[in-house]
Amino acid sequence: GQSLEQPSEVTAVEGAIVQINCTYQTSGFYGLSWYQQHDGGAPTFLSYNALDGLEETGRFSSFLSRSDSYGYLLLQELQMKDSASYFCAVRDDKIIFGKGTRLHILP
Amino acid sequence: DADVTQTPRNRITKTGKRIMLECSQTKGHDRMYWYRQDPGLGLRLIYYSFDVKDINKGEISDGYSVSRQAQAKFSLSLESAIPNQTALYFCATSDAGQGAGETQYFGPGTRLLVL
Repeated sequence: GQSLEQPSEVTAVEGAIVQINCTYQTSGFYGLSWYQQHDGGAPTFLSYNALDGLEETGRFSSFLSRSDSYGYLLLQELQMKDSASYFCAVRDDKIIFGKGTRLHILP
Repeated sequence: DADVTQTPRNRITKTGKRIMLECSQTKGHDRMYWYRQDPGLGLRLIYYSFDVKDINKGEISDGYSVSRQAQAKFSLSLESAIPNQTALYFCATSDAGQGAGETQYFGPGTRLLVL
């Protein structure tokens, strides 16, 4: 079957760095995406990795290792507004989403 | 104006009723998707369409049907609603082809309560 595993919750302190991991098992793979969803809002796209390595976009970075079927989202200089749920998603012939990681940020 | 719109935003219905959720987009994308979101279960794909004449079942299509009336419109129907279909429903669009990166753009969601 196809599955994506990510922690259900992560807690970090404002100003710190946090890493959200995602492991996947899918029949096909074109790339790994990350989405952010604030309470009451819609998911919004953050990043996409098709090849191994690190992609950086401002305070957010995303990493992929295809040989390990593993990726992570790295959030630096955490701000209170980063409190949200974060979903990894694998591109097969369609998009498959993980169950999401709720990020709690302490002041 | 929003690129992806959903109507209604909130809906309360009774068991056994037929209801339709509508999605419209102005992004000019060929691909459209319907997801449902339940607490702790993430986003689960119900149906998707890669163009007007293409309809595909997703992970949880039982109890649902869809219609792709035009490139810009994709409707989700619950033929006979049941309480466990109470959820938050999202429509999404994307424009990428096979092998390429694909960004999905989500509508604001429809919150459905089936009594």
